[in-house]
Amino acid sequence: EVQLVESGGGLVQPGGSLRLSCAASGFTFNSFEVNWVRQAPGKGLEWVSHISSSGTTIYYADSVKGRFTISRDNAKNSLYLQMNSLRAEDTAVYYCARKFGYFDLWGRGTLVTVSS
Amino acid sequence: DIQMTQSPSTLSASVGDRVTITCRASQSINIWLAWYQQKPGKAPNLLIYKASSLESGVPSRFSGSGSGTEFTLTISSLQPDDFAAYYCQQYNSFPRTFGQGTKVEIK
Repeated sequence: EVQLVESGGGLVQPGGSLRLSCAASGFTFNSFEVNWVRQAPGKGLEWVSHISSSGTTIYYADSVKGRFTISRDNAKNSLYLQMNSLRAEDTAVYYCARKFGYFDLWGRGTLVTVSS
Repeated sequence: DIQMTQSPSTLSASVGDRVTITCRASQSINIWLAWYQQKPGKAPNLLIYKASSLESGVPSRFSGSGSGTEFTLTISSLQPDDFAAYYCQQYNSFPRTFGQGTKVEIK
């Protein structure tokens, strides 16, 4: 089955760190660009970061630049998001999503809650 | 950054109604626009890409049109399964940006 499965979410204190993972299966992961998109509770969608198929080209939203790091391991069919200096406003469901422009495949998401 | 503005924010409609949602970009994005449907507690689902191309498996009652800065998503005959939130998204440039969403409610 073609799918993306996120993991690693949870409750973290402000200023803390968390590493999200996204496991891909059912397709040739190393041929696709992938992204992180988040959604705060009751709010709309916000694109967070993008990484090219080889991992050489990366983009970030201004809201996370300098705090979040996207990476991938094509040998493990996995995408990662290292989140540091977390803030209350980072509380959201984090989705991984496939493709360069539009997003044709999404995971179910993992909830990150930043609270003391 | 390109701002995407959807209207209306909420839409009340009945089964069988023709529904149109508008999305405006703050600058030209050519045809690099996608539409998604999202149901509560679920991930978004791609409906339309390249402004008017229907994603495989999406019912033909969904259609998209537009170019430049103004786009529309039309549902020709609203079905019970279509009550959900809809988002537009531009991919002309980074950062990718979404509209604020349109919630389609039962009238």
